[in-house]
Amino acid sequence: DIQVTQSPSTLSASVGDTVTITCRASAKIGFWLAWYQHKPGKAPQLLIYQASSLHNGVPSRFSGSGSGTEFSLTITSLQPADFATYYCQQYHDFPYTFGQGTKLQVK
Amino acid sequence: EVQLLESGGGLVQPGGSLRLSCTGSGFFFNYYGMSWVRQAPGKGLEWVAGISRGGSDTYYADSVRGRFIVSRDNSRQTSYLQMNSLRAEDTAIYYCAKDRATNVIVAAADDWGQGTLVTVST
Repeated sequence: DIQVTQSPSTLSASVGDTVTITCRASAKIGFWLAWYQHKPGKAPQLLIYQASSLHNGVPSRFSGSGSGTEFSLTITSLQPADFATYYCQQYHDFPYTFGQGTKLQVK
Repeated sequence: EVQLLESGGGLVQPGGSLRLSCTGSGFFFNYYGMSWVRQAPGKGLEWVAGISRGGSDTYYADSVRGRFIVSRDNSRQTSYLQMNSLRAEDTAIYYCAKDRATNVIVAAADDWGQGTLVTVST
């Protein structure tokens, strides 16, 4: 199975900051990586698919990059609604696998 | 508007069985593959199982293979997750999710249900 390692596990930031979360896959997965936002008591929300494509309705302050084994999610000009937990997921091979998650919290 | 509604969660004893259902509306259900994802208390998301749009291909996480069975009834716009030989570590919120794209083998999940809680305990 392909393992996905996400870092950091926790990130403290302020409104207006720019933050970056990284994800590393244990094997090459091309561009088959997605990023999700998850808030307590809510359904996860797709942000980015195919490493860098912005899902419908997602604000442009979210962006993704990378290919192969190294990927990143960048959020610019953080808004209050952005404080949540973020997950990357590889969908190159079954079983799909998620990173461990990054909790973005208020500094 | 796409909607996914899970049901069937509850309290079950270790070794028991439970069947979850996920009913979709607002889209052509038979066009899309479906997945099940869970989140144990205090843990991250774990992909559990997936099924192709026609139901002929199924996929499982190592942690549930041989115990869980994913299926679907397109005439009822419903996917099922049959969970057998349940363990305490299967306690989680279970979400169903729809593939973002049709006519593909692999896809990210663009629509999710609100989840149903499964508790495995004596």
